[in-house]
Amino acid sequence: KNEVEQSPQNLTAQEGEFITINCSYSVGISALHWLQQHPGGGIVSLFMLSSGKKKHGRLIATINIQEKHSSLHITASHPRDSAVYICAVRIYNTDKLIFGTGTRLQVFP
Amino acid sequence: NAGVTQTPKFRVLKTGQSMTLLCAQDMNHEYMYWYRQDPGMGLRLIHYSVGEGTTAKGEVPDGYNVSRLKKQNFLLGLESAAPSQTSVYFCASSEHPGTSNRNEQFFGPGTRLTVL
Repeated sequence: KNEVEQSPQNLTAQEGEFITINCSYSVGISALHWLQQHPGGGIVSLFMLSSGKKKHGRLIATINIQEKHSSLHITASHPRDSAVYICAVRIYNTDKLIFGTGTRLQVFP
Repeated sequence: NAGVTQTPKFRVLKTGQSMTLLCAQDMNHEYMYWYRQDPGMGLRLIHYSVGEGTTAKGEVPDGYNVSRLKKQNFLLGLESAAPSQTSVYFCASSEHPGTSNRNEQFFGPGTRLTVL
């Protein structure tokens, strides 16, 4: 069993829909990251969370430390949101990240 | 600022050949990382460095060597390439976790390596 599990693996949506991507982990962590990988391959960091909730534009990330679960929400989805979204956790007391396998999102006009 | 750059962007090697991938960052970051990304798997850490002159093994270090002679550069070497090392390689850098509450990792554009 992977230490970081994401669901769903693939997701399609119509423009304007509300999107939720889930991440569960089984290890002690100091932080959780959400990353976006564009179709061209580039990876950018969206959020780093250690508790609660963060919002940036149409993106919202939440984390529940007790349940070892995080969600990434996209409101009013747009075709330009089409990408692979990756969850990664920083193992407690280390410098290392462990990555999920990603959720491939396609948003159609 | 260029951020994190990687050279080359693409490379094809024959089994047994050697090569070096170069990663450079201009953000004065202490930490640098080399990852590989394979289909159906998450990014996996090969080696990392917590400062100039230091390196450490990650999750999948076998077949690779690294050097951090200058703070801004992190080199990944393949001494004798094997088909199993066909992958996309990403370099990343970050501030020291203890000095930044964001600890965001900044990624390079990736190097696509094929070993025949």
